[in-house]
Amino acid sequence: QVTLRESGPALVRPRQTLTLTCTFSGFSLGTSGMSLHWIRQPPGRALEWLARIDWNDDKYYITSLETRLTISKDSSTNQVVLTLTDVDFVDTATYYCARVGHPAYFYFEYWGQGAPVTVTS
Amino acid sequence: QSVLTQPPSVSAAPGQKVSISCSGSSSNIGYNSVSWYQQVPGTAPKFLIYDNNKRPSGIPRRFSGSKSGTSATLVITGLQTGDEADYYCATWDSSVSAGVFGGGTRVTVL
Repeated sequence: QVTLRESGPALVRPRQTLTLTCTFSGFSLGTSGMSLHWIRQPPGRALEWLARIDWNDDKYYITSLETRLTISKDSSTNQVVLTLTDVDFVDTATYYCARVGHPAYFYFEYWGQGAPVTVTS
Repeated sequence: QSVLTQPPSVSAAPGQKVSISCSGSSSNIGYNSVSWYQQVPGTAPKFLIYDNNKRPSGIPRRFSGSKSGTSATLVITGLQTGDEADYYCATWDSSVSAGVFGGGTRVTVL
């Protein structure tokens, strides 16, 4: 059974660094073709893809945030970490981690429940 | 401003049909497969369609997807009150090597 769970601070101050952790089970991120993604959703707004890390440690980022984002994985603990530096009020959102389904296709078969983050002074 | 363009809302009476369009470009929809998601506000998205028109097990046949050129469409037939939700399309954009979503479409059952 595949599960994903996001964790991190609910409140962050402007200009701080946000660190979110996705802890997963039921699969190995070392499996060929596997990838895990971070997606966020500001209140009342659309989903926004943020970052991806592949089984072979390839990494991809949304262009508009790539200087502030870092994604990494720890296969020994089954965790993927996303850091977002220099946060601003517009970074207030629910942050989801999601796992792809079949590696031949790009789709998010499994989602975490989401971690709400509020940037507040 | 989302990379993929969807209508903000569609509506129909119970039992009727709605179509949700998703428009992109040659580097995203035109080159890669499209997936669709249903999201009830306050919950995580649920995946409905992958590879343009494939349904995972457990998704009713009332939900169908298609793709032509740089556009994709999700059709819901036999609309039910439980279908009221936001629907999103997504794909990979090969020109920027990034995932992209549509702006979402709110389905209302009248």
